[in-house]
Amino acid sequence: EIVLTQFPVTLSLSPGERATVSCRASQNINSPYFAWYQQKPGQPPRLLIYGTSTRAPGIPDRFSGSGSGTDFTLTINRLDPEDFAVYYCQQSNSSPYTFGRGTKVEIK
Amino acid sequence: QFQLRESGPGVVKPSETLSLSCTMSGGHFRKTTYYWGWIRQSPGKGLEWIGSIYHNGVTYDNPSFKSRVTMSIDLSKNYFSLDLKSVTAADTALYFCVRHPVGADDAFDVWGQGTAVTVSA
Repeated sequence: EIVLTQFPVTLSLSPGERATVSCRASQNINSPYFAWYQQKPGQPPRLLIYGTSTRAPGIPDRFSGSGSGTDFTLTINRLDPEDFAVYYCQQSNSSPYTFGRGTKVEIK
Repeated sequence: QFQLRESGPGVVKPSETLSLSCTMSGGHFRKTTYYWGWIRQSPGKGLEWIGSIYHNGVTYDNPSFKSRVTMSIDLSKNYFSLDLKSVTAADTALYFCVRHPVGADDAFDVWGQGTAVTVSA
């Protein structure tokens, strides 16, 4: 099983700042099989990025994904108040599909 | 707009079988080009993929569930289901049904709102 480790666990930032969330995998992941999700309280996760760097439909361009191999990054430029949430990474490179434990982006 | 909606019993007794269903509505796309899956979320284990099923009934699931999982699908009725046998308190969670495409760029692009399940006597 591929273990995904996210860091930091919590990120305290102000609106307008840049958020950088990292995810490290225990094994290599092929780029088409890595994704990022956003979850707000009381809602299901929402797909943000798939294929490492492709934004899902309707996702603003301030969200971007990058990385390869075992190291992946989600960047949120110019944080909007609606961006404060929990972010998860996920791999579908090999079964069982796995998720990271999440990074909470909170208002400083 | 395509949507998924879960339904379930809310409370299940230990050692019994949890049965969940998911209904699809809206959207115009080829449902045979997707897998249909289940994910659960709990404070202790976070997000866990349980398993997925293809339109022809082929399934693959997470070995951590130790063969307790059975899934079925009927696309003509816009419906798929999950049975989880021999539940314990550790199966208490919020259960989501999801869609994910076959092939590259495999990611969970549509989620239901989730149904809460508590295992309790």
